Amino acid sequence: SSELTQDPAVSVALGQTVRITCQGDSLRSYYASWYQQKPGQAPVLVIYGKNNRPSGIPDRFSGSSSGNTASLTITGAQAEDEADYYCNSRDSSGNHHVVFGGGTKLTVL
Amino acid sequence: QVQLQQWGAGLLKPSETLSLTCAVYGGSFSGYYWSWIRQPPGKGLEWIGEINHSGSTNYNPSLKSRVTISVDTSKNQFSLKLSSVTAADTAVYYCARAAEGSGSYFYYYYYMDVWGKGTTVTVSS
Repeated sequence: SSELTQDPAVSVALGQTVRITCQGDSLRSYYASWYQQKPGQAPVLVIYGKNNRPSGIPDRFSGSSSGNTASLTITGAQAEDEADYYCNSRDSSGNHHVVFGGGTKLTVL
Repeated sequence: QVQLQQWGAGLLKPSETLSLTCAVYGGSFSGYYWSWIRQPPGKGLEWIGEINHSGSTNYNPSLKSRVTISVDTSKNQFSLKLSSVTAADTAVYYCARAAEGSGSYFYYYYYMDVWGKGTTVTVSS
């Protein structure tokens, strides 16, 4: 089955731009969805589809995709963006499974 | 606004069966996949499985032999049963709504847009 690979940790200075990446074969067929999870809370969807934000998600969050790599970009990172971020998609091999990346811990310095 | 409310036993002994239910409030039950995801302490998210309104299921192959997901459309509820639990099944369990479809240029989308608050399940003798 397919897997999604993320860097375990990324840091960004306050107000700067950071990109979190996700790699996997399924991303050649599926847009990645992205989730933010803060300690003790359920994940929250921040990006889905080509580059769509649910209501209430700030426009500093954006998504992009190229080949087998999807990216979540935070432009002008804020202290409240410090969290774990997970990518997710359906497995494209036809087995209808769902996969999550291992997660990226974002630290805002 | 769709909300998911989940409940179930939080403390189990090894070999028992985990049982959780998730109720869907404020939205349509059809047209979505209804999913279960878990997160062991300090670890990432793991997809357990899903069901649609007609009862069609998909399961994580690593758990398939022990998992049953069912749906009660009359109550807008879906449930998870995980048999023969061990300490390795200790986790926060989430229910979620998933949407899937085709986008542009032969790309598909899949996302989980509504999540329950999570239920902490501990397996200990």
